Amino acid sequence: GQNIDQPTEMTATEGAIVQINCTYQTSGFNGLFWYQQHAGEAPTFLSYNVLDGLEEKGRFSSFLSRSKGYSYLLLKELQMKDSASYLCALSRAGGFKTIFGAGTRLFVKA
Amino acid sequence: DAGVIQSPRHEVTEMGQEVTLRCKPISGHNSLFWYRQTMMRGLELLIYFNNNVPIDDSGMPEDRFSAKMPNASFSTLKIQPSEPRDSAVYFCASSLPGQGFNSGANVLTFGAGSRLTVL
Repeated sequence: GQNIDQPTEMTATEGAIVQINCTYQTSGFNGLFWYQQHAGEAPTFLSYNVLDGLEEKGRFSSFLSRSKGYSYLLLKELQMKDSASYLCALSRAGGFKTIFGAGTRLFVKA
Repeated sequence: DAGVIQSPRHEVTEMGQEVTLRCKPISGHNSLFWYRQTMMRGLELLIYFNNNVPIDDSGMPEDRFSAKMPNASFSTLKIQPSEPRDSAVYFCASSLPGQGFNSGANVLTFGAGSRLTVL
């Protein structure tokens, strides 16, 4: 089976840096994804990690440690538009099944 | 590309009625997923297809739910009879098949969703 844990809510200040953690347990693993979902909208892809280490993409970076079952999403230079839910998701090995965590609601305040 | 297209965007129906949700995946994507999202349960995978064939329907709540993919450009999710607890946003997503490490495998593109309210 699979279990994905992430904090329910976080609050941060505009211009700051925030780290959203995700821990997981799975019997098979093909990759870890982060998606962003604004209220009332569909999730959109942010990043993908399959090997250990840091993937950087502009203001957003994602880190993965497969041995620890741990990932984080790092958002730099926060903007008000970054207020959204951030969903950690696992792709199972040997197939196409992608399972999502409950998501972390990030509130960015001025 | 128009992206993943879902219809209807909103549906309000009465308990016991049949509901049919529709999805047109991105052309060339050969995996299609149906998810349901609620505040209580988050984003749940209901069923997914690969090359029009259902691969895993273990997330389908019960026999009242059924999904079909008659061709590569169309899928339906049907609820019959509907119940108030089926009220949720239903998302369809499509992807290219995973090709291995660092391939950007299985990046999902979601449709705008169908918001279902069962009274």
